[in-house]
Amino acid sequence: EVQLLESGGALVQPGGSLTLSCAASGFSFSIHAMNWVRQAPGKGLEWVSVISGSGNSIYYADSVKGRFTISRDNSKNTLYLQMNSLRAEDTAVYYCAKGPHWPNNYFDDWGQGTLATVSS
Amino acid sequence: EIVLTQSPATLSVSPGERATLSCRASQSISSSLAWYQQKPGQAPRLLVYGASTRATGFPARFSASGSGTEFTLTISSLQSEDFAFYYCQQYNNWPLTFGGGTKVEIK
Repeated sequence: EVQLLESGGALVQPGGSLTLSCAASGFSFSIHAMNWVRQAPGKGLEWVSVISGSGNSIYYADSVKGRFTISRDNSKNTLYLQMNSLRAEDTAVYYCAKGPHWPNNYFDDWGQGTLATVSS
Repeated sequence: EIVLTQSPATLSVSPGERATLSCRASQSISSSLAWYQQKPGQAPRLLVYGASTRATGFPARFSASGSGTEFTLTISSLQSEDFAFYYCQQYNNWPLTFGGGTKVEIK
């Protein structure tokens, strides 16, 4: 059974930094692309970033480019999202989502999410 | 960026009735479209991929069709557990984008 467990969400001040983690189990982590998708309170879904299984291909949404960095450690079956220069509009539940097989970049399994709140 | 427009924003339907949800893309995305179901307080769940292939665990009352720019999700006879938000997502171009969602509520 696929399991994705996010952690690291917290309350942080504008301009601050936060690192989210997603621990994966139940599948061959290193061969699947992994994504971060976020959902602001009461709003719809927004894709944030993707990293291929090898880590060689990475893409970002324009809204986070230059501020967020996605990475993965295949030896630890863990996905990360380093978030810098945080803004109020980055407040959201951040979901870790698994892709099936590149280049089919939809999301066939999701974690339960972790809440990041940016506020002074 | 490909914009996905979902309509209607809210669909009020009685149990047992048919629901038809629309997703329109701002340019052709071939069949690179997925649908997700999200219930309050839960993570989204993959419902359809490749525009028409139903994901594991969803019953046959869910069907989807379309290609290019026009896509449809149909729920043939709504059950209580189907009342939820539904989102479409394209994966033909970067960045990946979602539609704004359709809320299917009890009439």
